[in-house]
Amino acid sequence: EVQLLESGGGLVQPGGSLRLSCAASGFTFSSYGVTWVRQAPGKGLEWVSYIGSGGSTYYTDSVKGRFTISRDNSKNTLYLQMNSLRAEDTAVYYCAKRGSPAAGYFFDSWGQGTLVTVSS
Amino acid sequence: QTVVTQEPSFSVSPGGTVTLTCGLSSGSVSTSHYPSWYQQTPGQAPRTLIYSTNTRSSGVPDRFSGSILGNKAALTITGAQADDESNYYCVLYMDSGIWVFGGGTKLTVL
Repeated sequence: EVQLLESGGGLVQPGGSLRLSCAASGFTFSSYGVTWVRQAPGKGLEWVSYIGSGGSTYYTDSVKGRFTISRDNSKNTLYLQMNSLRAEDTAVYYCAKRGSPAAGYFFDSWGQGTLVTVSS
Repeated sequence: QTVVTQEPSFSVSPGGTVTLTCGLSSGSVSTSHYPSWYQQTPGQAPRTLIYSTNTRSSGVPDRFSGSILGNKAALTITGAQADDESNYYCVLYMDSGIWVFGGGTKLTVL
């Protein structure tokens, strides 16, 4: 069974930094792309960043230059380093596993999320 | 800036059929966008329903189906049940490792 467990959320002041982690199990982590999706309170889902199995990285425009996605295949863990945080980054952050590349571009498993609150 | 459009809300009667759509602010949605659909109830993680336009994810009842209707992707629920009352999100793959979610549709079953 695929499991994704996020951690690292919390309260941080504007301009601060936070690193989120997503521990993966139940699949060959190194063979799949993984992504971060966030959801501001009372709002919809927003794609944030993606890292492919080969390490290529992609970001939505609003986080470029501030967020860095990375992975440690030896630890089966996905990370999101978030710097220069703003109030509008306040959200629940979900990690998700990409589905089989042969089947298209979609996410087939999701974690339960970790809450990031940016406030003074 | 690409905007993916969804109806903000929709209602359906129990046992009824409803079609939710997913469009683009500029242009048409095609199978090349690999449209996928996710169901989310408040406080819960999303659940994958449909991917690559019309493939049901494992365990998803066959009352859920996906298609392209005109210039939009569509999610049809046939024989709606009370526990289908949720928020539904589509997401389109925009090439080059970028995905864009729609704003979501809140479905009420009453």
